[in-house]
Amino acid sequence: QVQLQESGPGLVKPSETLSTTCTVSGGSIRSSYWNWIRQSPGKGLEWIGYIHHSGSTNYNPSLKSRVTISLDTSKNQFSLSLSSVTAADTAVYYCARGNMVEGVIGFGYWGQGTLVSVSS
Amino acid sequence: DIQMTQSPSSLSASVGDRVTITCRASQSISSYLNWYYQKPGKAPKLLINGAFNLQSGVPPRFSGSGSGTDFTLTISSLQPEDFAAYYCQQTYNTPWTFGQGTKVDIK
Repeated sequence: QVQLQESGPGLVKPSETLSTTCTVSGGSIRSSYWNWIRQSPGKGLEWIGYIHHSGSTNYNPSLKSRVTISLDTSKNQFSLSLSSVTAADTAVYYCARGNMVEGVIGFGYWGQGTLVSVSS
Repeated sequence: DIQMTQSPSSLSASVGDRVTITCRASQSISSYLNWYYQKPGKAPKLLINGAFNLQSGVPPRFSGSGSGTDFTLTISSLQPEDFAAYYCQQTYNTPWTFGQGTKVDIK
């Protein structure tokens, strides 16, 4: 059974960089699309981007200038870095595995989420 | 970006009711449509992939239909554990986008 677990700082100061990591267990990171999604308090879901097991990335244009997603196959982890954060970046950050089923990518496995607050 | 619009935004229903949630895409997305449900404080869970493919372990009271721009999630007989928020998502084009959600609560 694949499991994902986020680890994050909890609190980040405005203008600094948010960094969070997702550890994958029960399966290899050398397949699938590895995604970050966030959910602001009381709001809906926003896809941030993915890294493919090949190393290729795809980011949401709304965040592209500030986002980097990286992969560490030796640790079975992938990471999110979001620079120049503001209060608007306060959210629960989820990692999720995207797999193709019947030709359509769906997010079948999610981490439990980590709340990151941006405040001085 | 492809905009996903769900209706209604919220609804109240009773156990045993038939519930229908719709999702409309701003352009055709073929069948590249997923449905998730989310309980408060929990991560979303994939219910249906590719517009109508029920995920393993999801009860058959859930069903999905549609293609192109208009999609429907139906719960044939609402159960107590189904009171949650439901989201549609398109993975036809990046950026992959979600609907704003439909909250189903107890009447």
